[in-house]
Amino acid sequence: AAGVIQSPRHLIKEKRETATLKCYPIPRHDTVYWYQQGPGQDPQFLISFYEKMQSDKGSIPDRFSAQQFSDYHSELNMSSLELGDSALYFCASSSRGRATGQETQYFGPGTRLLVL
Amino acid sequence: DQQVKQNSPSLSVQEGRISILNCDYTNSMFDYFLWYKKYPAEGPTFLISISSIKDKNEDGRFTVFLNKSAKHLSLHIVPSQPGDSAVYFCAAYPNFGNEKLTFGTGTRLTIIP
Repeated sequence: AAGVIQSPRHLIKEKRETATLKCYPIPRHDTVYWYQQGPGQDPQFLISFYEKMQSDKGSIPDRFSAQQFSDYHSELNMSSLELGDSALYFCASSSRGRATGQETQYFGPGTRLLVL
Repeated sequence: DQQVKQNSPSLSVQEGRISILNCDYTNSMFDYFLWYKKYPAEGPTFLISISSIKDKNEDGRFTVFLNKSAKHLSLHIVPSQPGDSAVYFCAAYPNFGNEKLTFGTGTRLTIIP
């Protein structure tokens, strides 16, 4: 079965550079979520999109922005990168069920970002 | 403020025995709970979920128990297999439209052959 695809899998950037992470959800999934997992930490919710509109927002820095496109893929844009942005970035997708807050989120393999 | 806690960072269990992973939460608004398994260099894989209207859900070797009054849930794996060695996260949704999954800190399960 098709899973969530993320690209690139690994990314090395320098401080103050920009990075773009891409996420391709499972076919027919309409909701995309982004999470950040720092070393030794649990995944932290950043932002989510439903039908191309931002639907919820977590602890996403102002330097980051994201959007969901007409084909439902999503991109996380990160500017003025800092050393502390080094982390695993996961994308997840779901198909809205009976009610929000009860969908299973299916995760991609993650993008490992290293900021030097 | 860690709203979902997994107090055991690691657990070792003999192959064939029962693995019990525990999770406690502090936010009484949490309404729906999920367990994920994570291998190194991979994303979390969904295992099983439970709604707050239930106290047990079973899927094959995996059973999740929910004790709402104690704000506690547990994942039972029976029998444990070597492929179960991974980090296990419990996660929770508040109710009514909040899409933010809040994760616990994870428990590393090692199955000893």
